[in-house]
Amino acid sequence: RKEVEQDPGPFNVPEGATVAFNCTYSNSASQSFFWYRQDCRKEPKLLMSVYSSGNEDGRFTAQLNRASQYISLLIRDSKLSDSATYLCVVDLSLSGGYNKLIFGAGTRLAVHP
Amino acid sequence: DGGITQSPKYLFRKEGQNVTLSCEQNLNHDAMYWYRQDPGQGLRLIYYSQIVNDFQKGDIAEGYSVSREKKESFPLTVTSAQKNPTAFYLCASSIEGSNQPQHFGDGTRLSIL
Repeated sequence: RKEVEQDPGPFNVPEGATVAFNCTYSNSASQSFFWYRQDCRKEPKLLMSVYSSGNEDGRFTAQLNRASQYISLLIRDSKLSDSATYLCVVDLSLSGGYNKLIFGAGTRLAVHP
Repeated sequence: DGGITQSPKYLFRKEGQNVTLSCEQNLNHDAMYWYRQDPGQGLRLIYYSQIVNDFQKGDIAEGYSVSREKKESFPLTVTSAQKNPTAFYLCASSIEGSNQPQHFGDGTRLSIL
């Protein structure tokens, strides 16, 4: 089983749609969680951290379910510019203060007019 | 502007040749990382460094070497022992400690001639 699993997609949605991505992780000791966005042939960029209580940033909402080891990202009112690959990232927080990030392979989103 | 600079953007390696990828950051981050990304896969950790003059192997260190002589710099050498070096290489840095997201440079694409 992969340490972080995501549906690879692609998710093809029209502008204005609401789309949700899911991610599961295998290590119950994981402490921190993030969503990154990666455009084609570019570097990943931090989209948002994911907090236990869930958090929202504009059109983006992240949820964490520790019991099920499951993270989600909801995008409302999709824009053409949201087209990208979304990476689910889990922090293993190893001893010595080093945070080892485990990256999912990503879910590709394509928003069309 | 603070950030992480990787160079070159594109690099070609001849068989039997060692090549060095540069990574410089002016974010005053203690921790730095090197990842490799292959198409359709998540990022895989090659090496990481938490402080100057110290570094640790990641999950796929064979065929690679690093140094950390200065806080700002973490160059990666792809040696001739790395038989499949074609990939997108990403350097990242973070504030030391757990629960910290990592921030990426814009990457170097390495290909075999």
